[in-house]
Amino acid sequence: NAGVTQTPKFQVLKTGQSMTLQCAQDMNHEYMSWYRQDPGMGLRLIHYSVGAGITDQGEVPNGYNVSRSTTEDFPLRLLSAAPSQTSVYFCASSDLQGTWEQFFGPGTRLTVL
Amino acid sequence: GQQLNQSPQSMFIQEGEDVSMNCTSSSIFNTWLWYKQDPGEGPVLLIALYKAGELTSNGRLTAQFGITRKDSFLNISASIPSDVGIYFCAGPYTGNQFYFGTGTSLTVIP
Repeated sequence: NAGVTQTPKFQVLKTGQSMTLQCAQDMNHEYMSWYRQDPGMGLRLIHYSVGAGITDQGEVPNGYNVSRSTTEDFPLRLLSAAPSQTSVYFCASSDLQGTWEQFFGPGTRLTVL
Repeated sequence: GQQLNQSPQSMFIQEGEDVSMNCTSSSIFNTWLWYKQDPGEGPVLLIALYKAGELTSNGRLTAQFGITRKDSFLNISASIPSDVGIYFCAGPYTGNQFYFGTGTSLTVIP
């Protein structure tokens, strides 16, 4: 089991560029989510999904899109990158059967110039 | 969104000392979770609490779900160097939205 994988590990973008952060899990979890982590602010929920074909907004969704076409994959798209999106992004997954134990990927460190 | 405030923000302790940290919210949570994040990695779940007043241990770690359901506490006994990291409280709110606290950074001095 690879658990939760994220690619790339590091990325530098110029303002206005678009890109997709990839996230995949092999644990057959229904719930997947994206967070951003900024210094002193903990992790903030961007978008989440409770199953294939179902997505919803979290606390800080502006500037990001997601889709969930399969149980395994949950990509995060930045449509037009801005310096305010410089952050570390984490993907996580869990089952929906009660424990709320979320398994996190290793993170993607994104810098927008 | 929900604000989960953790204190202290950072701690510097000697190896062998006990550690206490807490997390407070302005809203009621029905589940409290404590995570640890090592540098350059994603958070890992330490302890989960599901009932007001519940006290749960995991090795040297003990966490409590506050009676008011607006707070939770984490204690680490006899700290060791590998306890270094950032500790987060977290919980689900309004169904499937998940909130994390601001974190407590722990440094253990050998």
